[in-house]
Amino acid sequence: NAGVMQNPRHLVRRRGQEARLRCSPMKGHSHVYWYRQLPEEGLKFMVYLQKENIIDESGMPKERFSAEFPKEGPSILRIQQVVRGDSAAYFCASSPWGGNEQFFGPGTRLTVL
Amino acid sequence: GENVEQHPSTLSVQEGDSAVIKCTYSDSASNYFPWYKQELGKRPQLIIDIRSNVGEKKDQRIAVTLNKTAKHFSLHITETQPEDSAVYFCAASMIGGATNKLIFGTGTLLAVQP
Repeated sequence: NAGVMQNPRHLVRRRGQEARLRCSPMKGHSHVYWYRQLPEEGLKFMVYLQKENIIDESGMPKERFSAEFPKEGPSILRIQQVVRGDSAAYFCASSPWGGNEQFFGPGTRLTVL
Repeated sequence: GENVEQHPSTLSVQEGDSAVIKCTYSDSASNYFPWYKQELGKRPQLIIDIRSNVGEKKDQRIAVTLNKTAKHFSLHITETQPEDSAVYFCAASMIGGATNKLIFGTGTLLAVQP
């Protein structure tokens, strides 16, 4: 049973470009969470999704950030017009249902030049 | 909003000694408290968790205690080994509520000296 998959593992973008981060949850998991980890800091919640629904986006910046988890395919975190402050590791986690432990993917390390 | 404080930020112990990391949470509705270990450049890995209906849980050299009244929970690692060196994060969540997001502490860098 493969774990949570994320790609790309490393992503370099120039200021103003778009970044698309993908997360495939563990088999059988229908709940996905995105967290951001700034250098040498803890993880901060961004958004919680179930298939085709955003349940909680209270941690998402109001502008430039969006997330989706379509019926088919991976969950996607999209950052438009990236700025240097967006440089961070972005982790997704999945759980089989909302009340269970969350398993993390390997993360996508975004560097904005 | 919910806040989780974690202490100490760094901890250095000799191999074989015990290590204790403490966390305090603010939201009394929190009922799930996991601990994650993160090695440099790697993903956070769940090492143990506790729910609010128990006060203590143990798994080999790792134990977690929970004091709901004081809103404290702690991670105890006994007989530490060099491979225990990593950053440890506590977290709190309210399972069964509108969201199951994890609120993380700021992390503890544990260094086990051989």
